[in-house]
Amino acid sequence: GQSLEQPSEVTAVEGAIVQINCTYQTSGFYGLSWYQQHDGGAPTFLSYNALDGLEETGRFSSFLSRSDSYGYLLLQELQMKDSASYFCAVPGGGYNKLIFGAGTRLAVHP
Amino acid sequence: DAGVIQSPRHEVTEMGQEVTLRCKPISGHNSLFWYRQTMMRGLELLIYFNNNVPIDDSGMPEDRFSAKMPNASFSTLKIQPSEPRDSAVYFCASSTRLADYEQYFGPGTRLTVT
Repeated sequence: GQSLEQPSEVTAVEGAIVQINCTYQTSGFYGLSWYQQHDGGAPTFLSYNALDGLEETGRFSSFLSRSDSYGYLLLQELQMKDSASYFCAVPGGGYNKLIFGAGTRLAVHP
Repeated sequence: DAGVIQSPRHEVTEMGQEVTLRCKPISGHNSLFWYRQTMMRGLELLIYFNNNVPIDDSGMPEDRFSAKMPNASFSTLKIQPSEPRDSAVYFCASSTRLADYEQYFGPGTRLTVT
């Protein structure tokens, strides 16, 4: 089966850098996705890593190490609006199906 | 571009009543997913369709839940009879077949069963 582990909460201050880790166990690996969800909102897609290394999209970057079954989401120059839950996800049981982690709640303080 | 559309946004019903949630995926997307989100269980996949065909319904909690996709632009999730433990936010999401890792979620339906 598939399982993912990520910290439940992370706290940081505005302007700082924060890293949210995700470790996974899956049979057959096709890539690691990250989603953001604000309170009361819907999950929105942030990034996808199919290969090892760092993918950068503006202030957000995502890293994958397939040999370590590990990835992280790096958020730089934190802003208050980055306060949200962040989910890592892996395909499970086929290309279509995503299995989501329990989510990491990020609180950004002034 | 219209995103995934869900209705109703909020539903309050009494235990035992039938509830129907509706979803219109993004045009051109051929995969559709129904999720349920609660504090206790997180984001759970209930069922997904590919080209209108149900592929995996192993996440459907019990026979009280059913889902249909009669055409490429419409899907329903029905709960009959509803129970208080069904209270949750239900999301519909869609994606293209070649980019299933990038799913587009609707705004969700907040269901409260009293």
